[in-house]
Amino acid sequence: DTGVSQDPRHKITKRGQNVTFRCDPISEHNRLYWYRQTLGQGPEFLTYFQNEAQLEKSRLLSDRFSAERPKGSFSTLEIQRTEQGDSAMYLCASRRHDPSRPVVGRRGGEQFFGPGTRLTVL
Amino acid sequence: DQQVKQNSPSLSVQEGRISILNCDYTNSMFDYFLWYKKYPAEGPTFLISISSIKDKNEDGRFTVFLNKSAKHLSLHIVPSQPGDSAVYFCAASGGNYGQNFVFGPGTRLSVLP
Repeated sequence: DTGVSQDPRHKITKRGQNVTFRCDPISEHNRLYWYRQTLGQGPEFLTYFQNEAQLEKSRLLSDRFSAERPKGSFSTLEIQRTEQGDSAMYLCASRRHDPSRPVVGRRGGEQFFGPGTRLTVL
Repeated sequence: DQQVKQNSPSLSVQEGRISILNCDYTNSMFDYFLWYKKYPAEGPTFLISISSIKDKNEDGRFTVFLNKSAKHLSLHIVPSQPGDSAVYFCAASGGNYGQNFVFGPGTRLSVLP
């Protein structure tokens, strides 16, 4: 399977605990995105990386959240001191960004999503 | 304030008929739009996209129409099949959001045999 994988698929934790999720993107994809999805809503952008550089973070990403992509391959998302409001599906997506393509074709572009990690904070 | 809206939380259609899913956006700077489909326990999968320089894009049974003046796009599925039953998300990018996507809340499509 050469798609985007995420681990674990489910995580139940108690409030105040730290959790870490892992995302393995499609191997040739240089961009990696993290999203959060709550019930009845679409995915909300959290942050993205180009190779190992974290290029943008959403205001949704509080100080308790940190993401890394140390070698430009897999990425981790850590949530410290979890709160019940952190309960959600955390989705990872990746795509290959090609700056040589025309602007219109380069903008957006398909992102390939993983199956997500469902976090429940008790 | 939701910048991408999908006002129908659910839609039921008979197999073989046309499904029309609607999406409205408020940010006039959005210039690229996509539709994703999501089955339970899976991540969203890309269906079709359209740039703001076009008003229609077609791929097999799927056609996306864009009306920039109305800030409205729609996804047509013809003919609808039971396997199309899923949640459909509209997404937009551009303007201050650059290449990042803003997703709508989704519409659950049920295609009845």
